[in-house]
Amino acid sequence: AQSVTQLGSHVSVSEGALVLLRCNYSSSVPPYLFWYVQYPNQGLQLLLKYTSAATLVKGINGFEAEFKKSETSFHLTKPSAHMSDAAEYFCAVSDRRKTSYDKVIFGPGTSLSVIP
Amino acid sequence: DSGVTQTPKHLITATGQRVTLRCSPRSGDLSVYWYQQSLDQGLQFLIQYYNGEERAKGNILERFSAQQFPDLHSELNLSSLELGDSALYFCASSVGAHVRNEQFFGPGTRLTVL
Repeated sequence: AQSVTQLGSHVSVSEGALVLLRCNYSSSVPPYLFWYVQYPNQGLQLLLKYTSAATLVKGINGFEAEFKKSETSFHLTKPSAHMSDAAEYFCAVSDRRKTSYDKVIFGPGTSLSVIP
Repeated sequence: DSGVTQTPKHLITATGQRVTLRCSPRSGDLSVYWYQQSLDQGLQFLIQYYNGEERAKGNILERFSAQQFPDLHSELNLSSLELGDSALYFCASSVGAHVRNEQFFGPGTRLTVL
């Protein structure tokens, strides 16, 4: 069965510092991978997705993620944190095989704090 | 604003009761997804409808049911409510049936079961 883990339930960075949020997946076949952001009292918003094109995926708000098959990872990065980046971030995975392609499994989330 | 609307925003009810949550997808979107977000279980996929037909099922309890109507809005019915059903329920919509399509999330309905 597929699963996704996010190392660190809470990450704090200084404004202007590098943001690195970790995501590892477990799947026998490279899956579809997603990063979502959830601001307080709001629904989720898609940041970026990997669907087997380029392994380095660029998303909105300056975020990007790199798919590394050998490490089964899809870490999210942003070169310079902004106060507005403070939110909950979810990594998600979906099986690309036809039998279960419509189900999305979310990680537990990482809360990002940005210190002025 | 994602274009997905959910009503009501908040719902407080008692154990054993039945409630209905409503979702209107973005204009032009044919797929509707329901998710449950709670502190202990995180964000879980419940069910997906595409153009009125059930498409995929996740961790949806038998006490829960959903449907999508001809005008594409969807309702999630929760019955015989238990304390553990207290959660945020999100609806999302996408243009197609496949998970590759971007899902747009509504603001959620916060259900409190007392």
